[in-house]
Amino acid sequence: EAGVTQFPSHSVIEKGQTVTLRCDPISGHDNLYWYRRVMGKEIKFLLHFVKESKQDESGMPNNRFLAERTGGTYSTLKVQPAELEDSGVYFCASSQRLVASGNTIYFGEGSWLTVV
Amino acid sequence: AQKITQTQPGMFVQEKEAVTLDCTYDTSDQSYGLFWYKQPSSGEMIFLIYQGSYDEQNATEGRYSLNFQKARKSANLVISASQLGDSAMYFCAMTPRGSSNTGKLIFGQGTTLQVKP
Repeated sequence: EAGVTQFPSHSVIEKGQTVTLRCDPISGHDNLYWYRRVMGKEIKFLLHFVKESKQDESGMPNNRFLAERTGGTYSTLKVQPAELEDSGVYFCASSQRLVASGNTIYFGEGSWLTVV
Repeated sequence: AQKITQTQPGMFVQEKEAVTLDCTYDTSDQSYGLFWYKQPSSGEMIFLIYQGSYDEQNATEGRYSLNFQKARKSANLVISASQLGDSAMYFCAMTPRGSSNTGKLIFGQGTTLQVKP
């Protein structure tokens, strides 16, 4: 069974440019999450999709971040325009049912973003 | 507000010895779940072990066990018989349970473990 896959694995962009990160969850997982770890800080929740619907987007830092999950399969996270403080690693995760029920949440390898 | 604290930025352990990674949490919820993840240098986050707040037994998964002390709000990870491949960053995380929760995890800052040969 394929795990959570993320693309690109690494990205270096200039301040002001746009970057789009993609996440393919494990097949059949309705729940998809985005997390971010800025250097030296803890991993922080960004948002949660249930199928194509945004269940919780309370962690999105500002309106430069846009997440979509058209069709309830893969998801994209766009940063436009990117700022220096956006640098970090962006994790995608998925779970079959809500984590609240004690179910395992599976993470991808992360997309490392560097804004210069 | 819920919070996870990992007070050990870095730890060393000799191969084949046991090591305990500390994790304390703060929550007013009665029902919650606690997780440990391992992040090797390759970057992926690997699920290790889960403990529910109402579970009476400490969770165990192979060489991993979770020393759950509810009154002290601690959920330490114990790795027995350390192996070189255990060298990685370890994250403690929690999530409130119940219908009001959307499923997001709250993470600690992580502990880097290095296993010495």
